Amino acid sequence: SQTIHQWPATLVQPVGSPLSLECTVEGTSNPNLYWYRQAAGRGLQLLFYSVGIGQISSEVPQNLSASRPQDRQFILSSKKLLLSDSGFYLCAWTPGQGFFEQFFGPGTRLTVL
Amino acid sequence: GENVEQHPSTLSVQEGDSAVIKCTYSDSASNYFPWYKQELGKGPQLIIDIRSNVGEKKDQRIAVTLNKTAKHFSLHITETQPEDSAVYFCAASSPGGSYIPTFGRGTSLIVHP
Repeated sequence: SQTIHQWPATLVQPVGSPLSLECTVEGTSNPNLYWYRQAAGRGLQLLFYSVGIGQISSEVPQNLSASRPQDRQFILSSKKLLLSDSGFYLCAWTPGQGFFEQFFGPGTRLTVL
Repeated sequence: GENVEQHPSTLSVQEGDSAVIKCTYSDSASNYFPWYKQELGKGPQLIIDIRSNVGEKKDQRIAVTLNKTAKHFSLHITETQPEDSAVYFCAASSPGGSYIPTFGRGTSLIVHP
């Protein structure tokens, strides 16, 4: 069966520090991968998605970047964190072309102080 | 692009009552409508979905109905239990949107014992 992992689960970082969040999917090949941010108040904001290695689409201008160095690995990064980057970051995947179901990881709680 | 409206934002019921959450969408090309349950501190979990060629789908105590003409769909939970307490999200996706779901803003369901 397929599983999705995210780490770390919780992170507290000072303003101006770098960020690297990792997401990996097991048990599937060629998934579409997504990064969402969820601020207090529940809404899910799509940040990036990827349909293949090295292919990244950005949904909103921001202080973050994403990379997909391997088929089942998706990384969210920042060179210098802002207070507004605090939130709950969720990675998700879908089986790929023509498949609808999207599955979420457990999330990373990021607090920028 | 697609726009999904979800109501109510908060729903409080007594254990054993039914709960109904409603969503409307704007893009008539949308053809896949999932519902997610998110417990505190966790990632959203897909609980039920419906495709545009079906009007209703049931899974034990939960059901989803779809009215394509009116462009609205609803989640019905019967015999609610305290463990149903969570935030519920609806979403809509279409081939034109690369099947990336557009989410509603969420409904916080509280089931009182």
